[in-house]
Amino acid sequence: ETGVTQTPRHLVMGMTNKKSLKCEQHLGHNAMYWYKQSAKKPLELMFVYSLEERVENNSVPSRFSPECPNSSHLFLHLHTLQPEDSALYLCASSQNPDAYEQYFGPGTRLTVT
Amino acid sequence: DQQVKQNSPSLSVQEGRISILNCDYTNSMFDYFLWYKKYPAEGPTFLISISSIKDKNEDGRFTVFLNKSAKHLSLHIVPSQPGDSAVYFCAASLLETSGSRLTFGEGTQLTVNP
Repeated sequence: ETGVTQTPRHLVMGMTNKKSLKCEQHLGHNAMYWYKQSAKKPLELMFVYSLEERVENNSVPSRFSPECPNSSHLFLHLHTLQPEDSALYLCASSQNPDAYEQYFGPGTRLTVT
Repeated sequence: DQQVKQNSPSLSVQEGRISILNCDYTNSMFDYFLWYKKYPAEGPTFLISISSIKDKNEDGRFTVFLNKSAKHLSLHIVPSQPGDSAVYFCAASLLETSGSRLTFGEGTQLTVNP
């Protein structure tokens, strides 16, 4: 148990659907992250939030829309995705934006059909 | 271009022997290095780290070595146990104005055979 939970764990959606991924951290951390892991590729940083403010958007297409309503919760809203967006989406948190260690959730396995 | 590379996608060792996982990087500005372990259906969990000003860090069965001149780090596990079977990710940290950013390698699947 790392203190970071993600729901749902698995999601299958069509290209015209709208869905949201949820992440919650119970560690009192101030920074949260979304990563994408495609098959056989390294984790790719998507978004960084520090104290609910987005501080980085790593050239992610607008069909991915993050939301951070408070320091414990992070969402990733999905709409009109493509099959190549199928991947494992991982949420992480760190004590503050300068901290080296990040704590990961179990991920959401997304399949776009 | 990929700044952190793990050139071995898989490694198989016998229980009780040493496992050595390798990682190479290209950016000399990385200031901290970490190893994560990932079991199937779980997220990566932090294992051990090393500052760029050190060349070795040890924690129980796990030791990380850093060779800055070669831009190479390695993780030694001794003795290896079947429960160590997992994917191991090397990560390097770069401190930017908005905070630390981790760059990950592709991972190495370690299998420890009983």
